[in-house]
Amino acid sequence: AQSVAQPEDQVNVAEGNPLTVKCTYSVSGNPYLFWYVQYPNRGLQFLLKYITGDNLVKGSYGFEAEFNKSQTSFHLKKPSALVSDSALYFCAVRDGPNSGNTPLVFGKGTRLSVIA
Amino acid sequence: DSGVTQTPKHLITATGQRVTLRCSPRSGDLSVYWYQQSLDQGLQFLIQYYNGEERAKGNILERFSAQQFPDLHSELNLSSLELGDSALYFCASSPGGFSSYNEQFFGPGTRLTVL
Repeated sequence: AQSVAQPEDQVNVAEGNPLTVKCTYSVSGNPYLFWYVQYPNRGLQFLLKYITGDNLVKGSYGFEAEFNKSQTSFHLKKPSALVSDSALYFCAVRDGPNSGNTPLVFGKGTRLSVIA
Repeated sequence: DSGVTQTPKHLITATGQRVTLRCSPRSGDLSVYWYQQSLDQGLQFLIQYYNGEERAKGNILERFSAQQFPDLHSELNLSSLELGDSALYFCASSPGGFSSYNEQFFGPGTRLTVL
């Protein structure tokens, strides 16, 4: 069965500093990995995804994520945090090709707080 | 704006009642997904429809049902409501189904409060 873990409920970072939000996953085959962000009273917004190819994926708002197969991780990063990046971040995973219609599994979310 | 619309935005009702949540997917998207978000359970997948047919079922209670209509909008019906059903209900859409690598686009959600 597929699963995803976000080990930190909360991440605090000073504005201008680099940020990392951690995600590890478990699937039986090759993963499709996604990051979403949720601002207060809003739906989830897609940030980026890893399907295949380059392990470093660039997404919206200056975010990027690195796929590490050996460590089964897909950490979200940004070189310089903004106060406006404060939100709830979700990692999601599903088995990749040839896995049929298996649903996307979301982590429990990590609340990012960027302090001015 | 994701292009996915959900109505109503808020719903307050009593235990034992029945409600219907509505979702219109992005133009051209054939798949609709329903999720429940609560503080203790996180984001839980409920059910997926693709072009009018049920394609995948998650942790959906028997008291809950959904359908997707020919115009591709979807409704989630929740009956015999309990206090524990209070949550945010999201609809998402994508061009393909789960078997594709398309990202899902989420609506703004319906906040259901059961008193």
